[in-house]
Amino acid sequence: AQKITQTQPGMFVQEKEAVTLDCTYDTSDQSYGLFWYKQPSSGEMIFLIYQGSYDEQNATEGRYSLNFQKARKSANLVISASQLGDSAMYFCAMREGPGNQFYFGTGTSLTVIP
Amino acid sequence: NAGVTQTPKFQVLKTGQSMTLQCAQDMNHEYMSWYRQDPGMGLRLIHYSVGAGITDQGEVPNGYNVSRSTTEDFPLRLLSAAPSQTSVYFCASSYFPGYEQYFGPGTRLTVT
Repeated sequence: AQKITQTQPGMFVQEKEAVTLDCTYDTSDQSYGLFWYKQPSSGEMIFLIYQGSYDEQNATEGRYSLNFQKARKSANLVISASQLGDSAMYFCAMREGPGNQFYFGTGTSLTVIP
Repeated sequence: NAGVTQTPKFQVLKTGQSMTLQCAQDMNHEYMSWYRQDPGMGLRLIHYSVGAGITDQGEVPNGYNVSRSTTEDFPLRLLSAAPSQTSVYFCASSYFPGYEQYFGPGTRLTVT
């Protein structure tokens, strides 16, 4: 079974609007972490936001927030007030296990329309 | 700080050749890892290291070797390149296992 599932291969959003990128995960561990990374067309991977499995509040970092629903095993990324520079691939990732291995989803391509 | 650096940026190999992808970090991070990124498949973990002298296999280790003789360096060796190893390779590091990882710029490898 896939550890991380991102079901939206491509998304479009109007500039200044909010957008939600979906991520579901599969683990039997009690302790795990969830991450979102951005990959612009230039290719680098940029860390955006982190949520620990024991964190009771949703993580926020500027315009990024992580909508963590533990019972549903979902960790959706919300980008508020989209900007043209937000156009990129977005990857959800989870670390789990004694080795803290990371597993990445297949990504969602976000295009911001002016 | 330079962060995580990778060399080379691009490489073309013939089937059967060997080579080493270099990775270095200057942030004194304990944890380092190698991923490959293939179209439509996201990033997959090849090998990782939780400290100097300690390495372990990830999801897709076959055909690759690593060593970690210093905290700073974590080279990835392709023993006998195959076309299936055509990919973009990323090295990453974090202060501690499980913390957010910082990625290098990637190496685009083509095996013909």
